[in-house]
Amino acid sequence: DVQLQESGPGLVKPSQTVSLTCTVTGISITTGNYRWSWIRQFPGNKLEWIGYIYYSGTITYNPSLTSRTTITRDTSKNQFFLEMNSLTAEDTATYYCARDGGNLGRWFAYWGQGTLVTVSA
Amino acid sequence: QIVLTQSPALMSASPGEKVTMTCSASSSVSYMYWYQQKPRSSPKPWIYLTSNLASGVPARFSGSGSGTSYSLTISSMEAEDAATYYCQQWSSNPPTFGAGTKLELK
Repeated sequence: DVQLQESGPGLVKPSQTVSLTCTVTGISITTGNYRWSWIRQFPGNKLEWIGYIYYSGTITYNPSLTSRTTITRDTSKNQFFLEMNSLTAEDTATYYCARDGGNLGRWFAYWGQGTLVTVSA
Repeated sequence: QIVLTQSPALMSASPGEKVTMTCSASSSVSYMYWYQQKPRSSPKPWIYLTSNLASGVPARFSGSGSGTSYSLTISSMEAEDAATYYCQQWSSNPPTFGAGTKLELK
């Protein structure tokens, strides 16, 4: 079964950079026609897509976040990563990694449990 | 980007009652997707390609629509259906979500 698990620091100071890891089990991130995404949910529950890394390695970002977001991967560990810099309190959110549906549509068919990132001094 | 507007934002239903919530897109989309979320849990995939139920979703749920207007219907409300439901499109980048409809049990 496909499973995703986020990990990260929890608390980050304003202006700093957060690095999050998504560990995937049950499938290789380099196989299939899948997009591996980062999504965040703010307090108040608004959902925002951050970007994805395709199975081929191609990366696409949300234009609103592209200037301070980097997505990478380590295929040997079957992990992909999110780095976001210049954080402010408005970046406080639960960050999820997710996989799309492949041939079953461009939706988020698998989600991790989420990791809360709080930006505070 | 395509803006999705869900209505109502909040609704309540009694057991056995029929429930319908809508999602309106600012531009035409090919398909709509739906998620169910309960407190302290990740969104659960619920309906894909507008009208297909995800694995484990009860048959009392259905989805329909086309173009800019989509809906999710529960034929007969049950207590376990109380949750927040989000619609999502990915006809164009970036994929976007609606703000959610919170469904409460009356």
